[in-house]
Amino acid sequence: EVQLVQSGAEVKKPGESLKISCKGSGDSFRNYWIGWVRQMPGKGLEWMGIIYPGDSETRYSPSFQGQVTISADKSITTAYLQWSSLKASDTAIYYCARWRGGNVGSHFDFWGQGTLVTVSS
Amino acid sequence: SYDLTQPPSVSVSPGQTATITCSGDALPKQYAYWYQQKPGQAPVLVIYKDSERPSGIPERFSGSSSGTTVTLTISGVQAEDEADYYCQSAHTDNTGVFGGGTKLTVL
Repeated sequence: EVQLVQSGAEVKKPGESLKISCKGSGDSFRNYWIGWVRQMPGKGLEWMGIIYPGDSETRYSPSFQGQVTISADKSITTAYLQWSSLKASDTAIYYCARWRGGNVGSHFDFWGQGTLVTVSS
Repeated sequence: SYDLTQPPSVSVSPGQTATITCSGDALPKQYAYWYQQKPGQAPVLVIYKDSERPSGIPERFSGSSSGTTVTLTISGVQAEDEADYYCQSAHTDNTGVFGGGTKLTVL
């Protein structure tokens, strides 16, 4: 069974750094990409970027390139999303999910439970 | 880069058929996917590759594609189908894009 378990909610101040995590079961990391999706309060889903834990290759949406960093440690089957300097506009729920490709096309098939990040002074 | 356009809302009575559209210039060349998201929950994939249904998704959910528009159809809508629905497609570089989402209200 594929499981993606995300780290808990965070409350941070503007300017602080943050790294949230997404731990996957073996099947969710072996030969798959892992991606991140933002959902701001009351808003829709936004595709942020993906990483292939096998070699740490990353792809970012232009909207998020340079704003966040996606990384992974395949030895502990964990992916990360990090900010160096948070802004109030980073307040959102962040989901990790497995990104499928190949003959089934590019999409997210299994999702984590989401991590709420609140940035407020 | 391209956008996917969905209607903000669709309303339907129980037992009727709901249709949610998603338009985008790349859709003739790229597959579309549909996700259902209920309040406080993570999204769930309900349609992949335009019209395929994942295991465990009820048969009343179906998808179709015609030119630059893909359509999610829910036949015999039930109260439990009330949710936000998002289409998603991909660019040729394996990055993705979501539509703005459609709120389905079951009257």
